[in-house]
Amino acid sequence: GQNIDQPTEMTATEGAIVQINCTYQTSGFNGLFWYQQHAGEAPTFLSYNVLDGLEEKGRFSSFLSRSKGYSYLLLKELQMKDSASYLCAAMDSNYQLIWGAGTKLIIKP
Amino acid sequence: DTAVSQTPKYLVTQMGNDKSIKCEQNLGHDTMYWYKQDSKKFLKIMFSYNNKELIINETVPNRFSPKSPDTAHLNLHINSLELGDSAVYFCASRQGAGDTDEQFFGPGTRLTVL
Repeated sequence: GQNIDQPTEMTATEGAIVQINCTYQTSGFNGLFWYQQHAGEAPTFLSYNVLDGLEEKGRFSSFLSRSKGYSYLLLKELQMKDSASYLCAAMDSNYQLIWGAGTKLIIKP
Repeated sequence: DTAVSQTPKYLVTQMGNDKSIKCEQNLGHDTMYWYKQDSKKFLKIMFSYNNKELIINETVPNRFSPKSPDTAHLNLHINSLELGDSAVYFCASRQGAGDTDEQFFGPGTRLTVL
């Protein structure tokens, strides 16, 4: 079957670095997406990886290892506004997104 | 200039009623989706339409009926509402059904069934 696993909740300190991991199993693979969702709001797109390696976008970076079925989202210089849920989603061979349950990130001062 | 809009934002209703949620996107996308996000925050896809044709219909009670009058609109009608239907419903759109572009989400409709 198709499955996405990510931690339910993580806590980090303002100014620090945090890594949110995601493992996936899909029927075929057309890429891995990360979305950010603040409480009471819609998910918004953060990153897309389809090739192995690290993609950097400002304070946020996303990594993919296709052979391991693994991705992580790295957030640097954490700010209070980064408190949100981070959703991992893998795209299968039919171009459909398989969503994880999200990781709630709590930032403490 | 909202890209994906939904109405209403909040919907409170009694069990057994019938209600509709509307979604419109002005991005020129061909594919639209309805998702349900329950209290555990898990996003579950319900339906997907590509060029007004249904391409995904997950295991959803037939009380839920989507309608796509044109490629910019995908409405969701729910009959005989039940307590378990209480959730946030998100509409989303993407350029095409067979590409890897990101999905754009509407603001969500918080449905509460009493």
